[in-house]
Amino acid sequence: GQQVMQIPQYQHVQEGEDFTTYCNSSTTLSNIQWYKQRPGGHPVFLIQLVKSGEVKKQKRLTFQFGEAKKNSSLHITATQTTDVGTYFCAGPGANNLFFGTGTRLTVIP
Amino acid sequence: EAGVTQSPTHLIKTRGQQVTLRCSPISGHTSVYWYQQALGLGLQFLLWYDEGEERNRGNFPPRFSGRQFPNYSSELNVNALELEDSALYLCASSFGGFTYEQYFGPGTRLTVT
Repeated sequence: GQQVMQIPQYQHVQEGEDFTTYCNSSTTLSNIQWYKQRPGGHPVFLIQLVKSGEVKKQKRLTFQFGEAKKNSSLHITATQTTDVGTYFCAGPGANNLFFGTGTRLTVIP
Repeated sequence: EAGVTQSPTHLIKTRGQQVTLRCSPISGHTSVYWYQQALGLGLQFLLWYDEGEERNRGNFPPRFSGRQFPNYSSELNVNALELEDSALYLCASSFGGFTYEQYFGPGTRLTVT
């Protein structure tokens, strides 16, 4: 069945360092969505990518959708303590939204 | 605009009991989704309702059930509670279908003792 995997599972960075999480799907996706869940909070929608090779930026966050529409990445430049949380990618199937396993980011001040 | 709301916030139940969780979607959204998130883990898809119909369910036993009302609000029922049902239950809403982004409620933290 369809699977969406993310690596790494955990990432600890010093404040100011960059961070990247990678998402890989076993099947081609019509789109990829990214969510952020702060500790003790609920997932919050960040962005959706639709086109092959698409790149979108939100301030220090850069999102990419692979050419084959099977992988994606989220890159954070110069992390801040406000970036802490778990980042999930998600890809739609026929009757489900398959969430990745998530990458938990810790930022050390 | 009001976001997705869920009630109650927290719940403590005893093994074998039954529980009902409630969710009100964002106005205009017809789809409601339920997820289970065990402590520190990922999101496990439970149920999807759209236009009052159950469209899909995840790999959970039949004691997990629910419904969607004409105003698109939804209930999740869990019967014969087991200890491993302790988790955060998240409701999300969207326009119909999985190509749309989902907006999550704050969740209901269920503890089964």
